[in-house]
Amino acid sequence: EDQVTQSPEALRLQEGESSSLNCSYTVSGLRGLFWYRQDPGKGPEFLFTLYSAGEEKEKERLKATLTKKESFLHITAPKPEDSATYLCAVPSNQAGTALIFGKGTTLSVSS
Amino acid sequence: DTEVTQTPKHLVMGMTNKKSLKCEQHMGHRAMYWYKQKAKKPPELMFVYSYEKLSINESVPSRFSPECPNSSLLNLHLHALQPEDSALYLCASSGRDRGWNTEAFFGQGTRLTVV
Repeated sequence: EDQVTQSPEALRLQEGESSSLNCSYTVSGLRGLFWYRQDPGKGPEFLFTLYSAGEEKEKERLKATLTKKESFLHITAPKPEDSATYLCAVPSNQAGTALIFGKGTTLSVSS
Repeated sequence: DTEVTQTPKHLVMGMTNKKSLKCEQHMGHRAMYWYKQKAKKPPELMFVYSYEKLSINESVPSRFSPECPNSSLLNLHLHALQPEDSALYLCASSGRDRGWNTEAFFGQGTRLTVV
């Protein structure tokens, strides 16, 4: 069965304190791994798509990387406005390639 | 434009009411989805439409009835809901590339409260 596991569940950082979020997956024939940001009460906002091991994508203070078993979302010098829940998702072979999500990492950045 | 528009933003309904949620996208995407999200949980897939045909129903109770009138619109008809159906309902759409679904774009959701 396709599965996505994210860690940690929650992460508290000081402003400027860099860290990484992890997303591990078990899915046969990966057809993309997607990162989203979600603010409370709002829909997920698309951040990155990664298709193959070794691929990297960057956007402002965020950088996503992919290996054959996991993906990392690196946050460099975070600011309070980076506080959100970060969700990782993969297309599911059992659900017509609709996305299945990990449980997310809730990031809190304090000034 | 990567916008998916959902209406209404908030909905309060009684257990005997009938209401509908609406979703619209103009990105030319041919896959559209309904997800349900409870507090502090990830989105949970309900339905998948591919080329206006229902392709996946994740064992959703019949009090939820999806409809895809055309390639830009997706509706979710609600009838005789239970208080435990209160949640954020999300619509999403995705395109195709190299035979795979590309990234999905989500609407802002409808916050549904069943009283």
